[in-house]
This record gives sequence, structure tokens and C-alpha cells, in this order.
Amino acid sequence: AQSVTQLGSHVSVSEGALVLLRCNYSSSVPPYLFWYVQYPNQGLQLLLKYTTGATLVKGINGFEAEFKKSETSFHLTKPSAHMSDAAEYFCAVSGKSGGTSYGKLTFGQGTILTVHP
Amino acid sequence: EAGVAQSPRYKIIEKRQSVAFWCNPISGHATLYWYQQILGQGPKLLIQFQNNGVVDDSQLPKDRFSAERLKGVDSTLKIQPAKLEDSAVYLCASSLDQSSGNTIYFGEGSWLTVV
Repeated sequence: AQSVTQLGSHVSVSEGALVLLRCNYSSSVPPYLFWYVQYPNQGLQLLLKYTTGATLVKGINGFEAEFKKSETSFHLTKPSAHMSDAAEYFCAVSGKSGGTSYGKLTFGQGTILTVHP
Repeated sequence: EAGVAQSPRYKIIEKRQSVAFWCNPISGHATLYWYQQILGQGPKLLIQFQNNGVVDDSQLPKDRFSAERLKGVDSTLKIQPAKLEDSAVYLCASSLDQSSGNTIYFGEGSWLTVV
């Protein structure tokens, strides 16, 4: 079974400050890891994903995340927050498990990011 | 490229009534997913199709929920009878196939309120 824990349901930063959203996963198989963003009244948009290869992954809108197997983590960062980054962020994991149901995403509970002027 | 289309966007029904949601995935995508997102929680998979076959429906409340993808393209999710706890956003998503690591694209969701 796979699971995702996002530490902190709400994160508040000032505009221009570092954004750090934490994600830890549990998986019995090599994981594929994703970050999605959800703006109010909209669906989920992919920010970035890790499948194989380089553990530092760059995504859209200046976000990046680093896969750390030893820490079972996939934290999302952005050097300088912008007002438009205010949204809810979801970490998710997928991976072949028992030969069935692979491809599906298991999500964390989400982190709401607030950006103050 | 057109995204995942869903309708209706918003629906309010009384408990014990029925409701149906429609989804048209991205053209050429073999895998289609229905997720349920309750307010304050992450999305939870209800059912996954590969073409017109069901891959995973382990978390679908089969006494009241049903879904079909008869021709392997668009899909319908039905709830009958609805309960108050079914109030949620129903997200349809699609991907090229069910290989792990494929990007899954989401629609804007169908918002259901049961009163």
C-alpha cells in the first residue's frame, strides 16, 4: 500500500520569501512522485513529477522538488513566493503494486499556501 | 489540445435523489479515472478504466455508485440514491495508459451538494 503525508495543512509566507511545502511518502515499490496545484474552483494542474533519473526535478512557475529516498521525502520549494502562488498543493504517489491498479495516484491531504503582501 | 471535459459543473440535489456526471477524456487517452474530493481532503480514487474495462473499483460504494465507459471514450458516473456525505467534487482524469509515471490530466470537476 502507498500513502502520502503532507506536514502542515496551512503554510503562510510573505511575498518574496522562500516557499517550502513538505511531503513524505510510504511505498513498498519504487515510487513515482507528483506535485499538483489546485486554484479555487478549478481542477488539479501538474506542477512537476519524479519518475527516474535526476532526483532534483524542476517544474512550472519556478517550483522544484527533490526526491530523497533515504528520507522518503519529496518536498516542494520555490525561492521567491508570488501572490499568484496562493493555492492548495497536493503531493501524490503512484507505482506498480501487486501487479494491479498501477498508474493511479494516492494523494496527501493537501497544503493551503497563503502569500501575504 | 483540448483538456478533460466534465459536466455539469455544479449540481444541487436532495438526499435520496439521483445524479449523473459526464466526462470526456483527452483524445487518445486509454485510461480514465474518477476521483472524489471531499472538502479539506485530497482526492480519492473511485474507479479506474482501461479502455472500456474496469481496472480498479475497490473504493467505489457499489450500493449507490455506478460508472461506465461503454465505448472506451467518454464515461458517466451515477449516484443513486444520494446521501449527504456524497457532497464533494467529482474529478475526472485521463492518461495515455495506466503505466506508472504517466501524467494524469484532470478536468475542472463536478461540484455536488446534497441537501
